[in-house]
Amino acid sequence: DAGVIQSPRHEVTEMGQEVTLRCKPISGHNSLFWYRQTMMRGLELLIYFNNNVPIDDSGMPEDRFSAKMPNASFSTLKIQPSEPRDSAVYFCASRTTGGADTQYFGPGTRLTVL
Amino acid sequence: AQSVAQPEDQVNVAEGNPLTVKCTYSVSGNPYLFWYVQYPNRGLQFLLKYITGDNLVKGSYGFEAEFNKSQTSFHLKKPSALVSDSALYFCAVRGDTGSARQLTFGSGTQLTVLP
Repeated sequence: DAGVIQSPRHEVTEMGQEVTLRCKPISGHNSLFWYRQTMMRGLELLIYFNNNVPIDDSGMPEDRFSAKMPNASFSTLKIQPSEPRDSAVYFCASRTTGGADTQYFGPGTRLTVL
Repeated sequence: AQSVAQPEDQVNVAEGNPLTVKCTYSVSGNPYLFWYVQYPNRGLQFLLKYITGDNLVKGSYGFEAEFNKSQTSFHLKKPSALVSDSALYFCAVRGDTGSARQLTFGSGTQLTVLP
C-alpha cells in the first residue's frame, strides 16, 4: 500500500489567496483526520471524518477553513482567504474505525503564506 | 478531558546508552496508548501501541514501552541508543468510550543521540 498521500508537499502563496490541500487515505480506512503542526501550538486536530461524514470540526480555527470528503478516497482542506498565521505543516491521517486501530499519517503539506 | 504530558522537551543521550522518553496520561475509561516518531520534514510514523495484555510492548526499531496503570505512565525505552534514533517523539492516548475515542497527542520530546 502506498500509505496516506498528500499533495502538494509544499505550497507558497500570498495572503488573501485560496489554498487547497489534498489527501488520499489508505484504501479500506474509513476514518480521516486533518492536523496542523506549528512550533508554537504543536500538533492540533482540526477535523475528522467517519465514513465521509464530518464528526467533529471543533478544531477548525475559523470560518476561513473548510474541509470536505466527497468519497472514501479523497479529502480536501481549504483555506480562503489565507493569512500568514496559517503557515504550518498540515497532516492528513487515516485509520479504520476499529476500537484501537492505529492512525497512519501522510508526509504533510508545508504551507507558507507570505 | 483526556490529556498527555511529556515532561521533557529535550532528551540527550550518548550512543550505546539506554534511553527513556517519558509520558503520562489522563483518560476516562481504558487507555489505548501510542508512540509515534517524526523525523525532520517527515510525517509521524507509528512505533508501537498498548491496547491490553502484557504491560511491556515491543515495537519498531528496537523500541519498547512499559504501561504502568497505577502511575498512568507509558514511557518509551530502548536498551542501546543509535545516532539515527535522533528525532521528535510523540506520545498519544485515546479512551474507549464516547468522545475519548479521539487521539490526543503530547507536545513531543526531541531526542538527540550523541555519537
